[in-house]
Amino acid sequence: GENVEQHPSTLSVQEGDSAVIKCTYSDSASNYFPWYKQELGKRPQLIIDIRSNVGEKKDQRIAVTLNKTAKHFSLHITETQPEDSAVYFCAASLGGSNYKLTFGKGTLLTVNP
Amino acid sequence: EPEVTQTPSHQVTQMGQEVILRCVPISNHLYFYWYRQILGQKVEFLVSFYNNEISEKSEIFDDQFSVERPDGSNFTLKIRSTKLEDSAMYFCASSVPGSNEQYFGPGTRLTVT
Repeated sequence: GENVEQHPSTLSVQEGDSAVIKCTYSDSASNYFPWYKQELGKRPQLIIDIRSNVGEKKDQRIAVTLNKTAKHFSLHITETQPEDSAVYFCAASLGGSNYKLTFGKGTLLTVNP
Repeated sequence: EPEVTQTPSHQVTQMGQEVILRCVPISNHLYFYWYRQILGQKVEFLVSFYNNEISEKSEIFDDQFSVERPDGSNFTLKIRSTKLEDSAMYFCASSVPGSNEQYFGPGTRLTVT
């Protein structure tokens, strides 16, 4: 089955700096890669996703890149703010409406004011 | 904006007891999922459900677990004879036909004592 590895497990940055979180996946058939943000005690919230026919996607301060050859995708957050502090999970799926998400172990991002 | 809801928010039960966790998916969603997250660990897939049938289940989802859509709005997870290791946050998620995006509920924290 699919296996998703995520690094780093913790990341501390100064406000205004950029943050990068990296994930690799094992199943070459996976073609949908969402990122979720989970604040303490809250539900995981979808913040951005990318499909395998796209190499990069951007939404304001966040962007995701995908390298299908290397089976690698990354989350980039620019101009970080304290409210970006949370656990970020990457996930992979075969895509479609009825396919499970396989999650990475998460990255605790702390943005210091 | 419609959201997935779950009840109760916290359930404490004694080992060996049965619990039912309830979810109300977003109204036009037809695909439903249960995931669990043991404290400090990643989110793990349990089961997916569509058209009143289980579509896929993980190795975690053994005979102790069952799911049901008893009416047009609720989606339930039953855990029979709970064990200490069942203590976790259980998340329900749903998605709409034709979309990869899964939306998560706020979770039920299950504590087995």
